[in-house]
Amino acid sequence: IAGITQAPTSQILAAGRRMTLRCTQDMRHNAMYWYRQDLGLGLRLIHYSNTAGTTGKGEVPDGYSVSRANTDDFPLTLASAVPSQTSVYFCASSSEGGQPQHFGDGTRLSIL
Amino acid sequence: AQSVTQPDIHITVSEGASLELRCNYSYGATPYLFWYVQSPGQGLQLLLKYFSGDTLVQGIKGFEAEFKRSQSSFNLRKPSVHWSDAAEYFCAVGLSNDYKLSFGAGTTVTVRA
Repeated sequence: IAGITQAPTSQILAAGRRMTLRCTQDMRHNAMYWYRQDLGLGLRLIHYSNTAGTTGKGEVPDGYSVSRANTDDFPLTLASAVPSQTSVYFCASSSEGGQPQHFGDGTRLSIL
Repeated sequence: AQSVTQPDIHITVSEGASLELRCNYSYGATPYLFWYVQSPGQGLQLLLKYFSGDTLVQGIKGFEAEFKRSQSSFNLRKPSVHWSDAAEYFCAVGLSNDYKLSFGAGTTVTVRA
């Protein structure tokens, strides 16, 4: 079934540790996105990529980095995790600008 | 500044009753409009979208939404809710020349028997 796969599903991490959240899509979509979801705040865009080889900053990029080496993969890295990064992280993709975004099932991350 | 507002944080509705969720936006141009639904522990699923044309759009699961340019609104409706409609609903707005979407804070719907 075509879609977005995120890994891990959940993770508990000690503060200061490095963590990479993985995201893979098989729809050959040009654009990919990372959001964090926090209670009462909806979804906030962390980073995005309009096409392979390019990335951009979203609303809340500090403390996060991304890369887009190919069309299918868009990993999100927390270089040194802090408790305020405890959240549910969603990866999404879309074929082009203005088109609906398709979402993965999320990664629940707890930083202690 | 561009913004999306969902005025209702939480709505409780009886099974079989009608449901309306509000969404207001503030954008310089006519945006693309979306409604998503999120069940507990799941990702977001697209319910419907408006790009242009007929201002009343039909979606999946019996939902519909109406775009009202004069009110900058895109409200979601369902004539008769089912217990399975209990979820969180997000309105999202984008522009044709921009890949990014802006999401409202969401409305949680509880369905009582």
